[in-house]
Amino acid sequence: DTGVSQNPRHKITKRGQNVTFRCDPISEHNRLYWYRQTLGQGPEFLTYFQNEAQLEKSRLLSDRFSAERPKGSFSTLEIQRTEQGDSAMYLCASSFSETGLGEQYFGPGTRLTVT
Amino acid sequence: AQKVTQAQTEISVVEKEDVTLDCVYETRDTTYYLFWYKQPPSGELVFLIRRNSFDEQNEISGRYSWNFQKSTSSFNFTITASQVVDSAVYFCARNAGNMLTFGGGTRLMVKP
Repeated sequence: DTGVSQNPRHKITKRGQNVTFRCDPISEHNRLYWYRQTLGQGPEFLTYFQNEAQLEKSRLLSDRFSAERPKGSFSTLEIQRTEQGDSAMYLCASSFSETGLGEQYFGPGTRLTVT
Repeated sequence: AQKVTQAQTEISVVEKEDVTLDCVYETRDTTYYLFWYKQPPSGELVFLIRRNSFDEQNEISGRYSWNFQKSTSSFNFTITASQVVDSAVYFCARNAGNMLTFGGGTRLMVKP
């Protein structure tokens, strides 16, 4: 069990650029989640996949944000036309659950800085 | 949104003291899950415990214990004989459907 991994760990970009982050979940986990955490706050839910299906999206996820999990394994989160307010830590989590809610295990996060 | 409140933003203790971190949650559901996570300075959220709302038994794991009081919607976390390595931000969370709603966190500083 290698845990949840995320790449890159840090990303600095200029306002208006597009960025893409990758998350590799724990291999047997069927659920994958994206959260965003700003300084001094708890994580906030963005979106969630069960296998390859995106089942839930937060109102925080504007139309500049898109997430995919094409083969039900890794996931990507893309932010188009980045804004300074997008600066945050983007966290990925995975869990295994057939019914109920399993424990969510988090990756180390990708810290995005928009200048 | 059903909120999770961690009223203590920062707690400072001296090593070997016991410390309790408070968590109060809102819920309109009869079935729900509660969680605690630890976020050390390295930044990665570490899962500590998941509790089903039907299971009101208190739980102990080494120096950690959790007190679930459904009547007061609280799920408090106690560290006994704290150590410097316990220094971190601790988050309480509850589920809303399949997502987690987190409290604002409590920063615990354990001084030698």
